[in-house]
Amino acid sequence: GQNIDQPTEMTATEGAIVQINCTYQTSGFNGLFWYQQHAGEAPTFLSYNVLDGLEEKGRFSSFLSRSKGYSYLLLKELQMKDSASYLCAVREGWVSGGYNKLIFGAGTRLAVHP
Amino acid sequence: EPEVTQTPSHQVTQMGQEVILRCVPISNHLYFYWYRQILGQKVEFLVSFYNNEISEKSEIFDDQFSVERPDGSNFTLKIRSTKLEDSAMYFCASSEASGSYEQYFGPGTRLTVT
Repeated sequence: GQNIDQPTEMTATEGAIVQINCTYQTSGFNGLFWYQQHAGEAPTFLSYNVLDGLEEKGRFSSFLSRSKGYSYLLLKELQMKDSASYLCAVREGWVSGGYNKLIFGAGTRLAVHP
Repeated sequence: EPEVTQTPSHQVTQMGQEVILRCVPISNHLYFYWYRQILGQKVEFLVSFYNNEISEKSEIFDDQFSVERPDGSNFTLKIRSTKLEDSAMYFCASSEASGSYEQYFGPGTRLTVT
């Protein structure tokens, strides 16, 4: 079965740090992605983890623990424009290749306030 | 920066009609996907396409759906006889043959079935 859980909503203050958690149970695992989605727009890529550990990319970092089926996205120095939905997605598949599908969580709606 | 494009941005159709949604993936990408997102719900995988054939399809992608790469640039999704429940945002995505296999999403086509 497939199950990807993340909190429905979070709020944070401008300039602060927020951590969005994601837990997953999928029949195969070939990498975990975080996407940002503003209302009515397409998901845009933020980060990718396939090995355990932390990946840092400017104000955004993502962590993965494959043994725990757990990832988080860390957003630092929050800005008002970071108000969006953040989607955790697992690339499911046993085969190494670009065609593996993405299974998305329901997304976490982040509201950044002054 | 190269991007995935989709047309039309919004399509309104009557139940039972056929619709074709069009996508132009990034030119050097070899893997193509369709996802859909019903309003307020999560992004769902429909189909992946590689080397001129379907790699994988979900339960949603029934006989009413088909995909085609009619030429070297376009990738289309056809729904033969639309139902009310087909109303959703349809996203096309593409990815490279190597690397992190990040999937780049197009801006989406909002399909409204009346």
